[in-house]
Amino acid sequence: NAGVTQTPKFQVLKTGQSMTLQCAQDMNHNSMYWYRQDPGMGLRLIYYSASEGTTDKGEVPNGYNVSRLNKREFSLRLESAAPSQTSVYFCASSELSGSGSDTQYFGPGTRLTVL
Amino acid sequence: AQSVTQPDIHITVSEGASLELRCNYSYGATPYLFWYVQSPGQGLQLLLKYFSGDTLVQGIKGFEAEFKRSQSSFNLRKPSVHWSDAAEYFCAVGPPGGFKTIFGAGTRLFVKA
Repeated sequence: NAGVTQTPKFQVLKTGQSMTLQCAQDMNHNSMYWYRQDPGMGLRLIYYSASEGTTDKGEVPNGYNVSRLNKREFSLRLESAAPSQTSVYFCASSELSGSGSDTQYFGPGTRLTVL
Repeated sequence: AQSVTQPDIHITVSEGASLELRCNYSYGATPYLFWYVQSPGQGLQLLLKYFSGDTLVQGIKGFEAEFKRSQSSFNLRKPSVHWSDAAEYFCAVGPPGGFKTIFGAGTRLFVKA
């Protein structure tokens, strides 16, 4: 049982390049999330998917797109990377839909640098 | 506005000493409250959570937290810290019926021998 997996672990991009961060969970969870973590700011929600087939904006969605490919997979795409998107990105999942009481299970993160 | 404040950016304690990490929240109603821990290079792991009932909540690794409604606080405690507790700790609030969990900025714990 791998939990939440993310690829790649590290990535360096040049300004304007695009890339997709991949996330998969094997816990049969309904909800999935993408966060970014910046020093002194904790985690900020980029997008979430309450259930398969739905996605919604979080606190900082600008510059990102997401796809909930199926129940297991939730990808995050940067269409034209900017230095301000240099961050550590975490994917998470939770079992229930629509409950703020859910425990979230996190992947190990992707460290992205945009030059 | 909804917010979570962790007043201490970092704390250093000696191994075997007690620990208290502070967390204050601002929310219209009583939210769900969480403490997560992040070891270096890892994702976050849940330590404990509070929904209702007994205001003293027990978690994993010997941690506990106390919810104080009058102070809008949810402080994390441990009676005796071990070197392996060195990590970053995040307090979070989850809105009832929603998805947008709000995380505090985190408190980094250093443990000295």
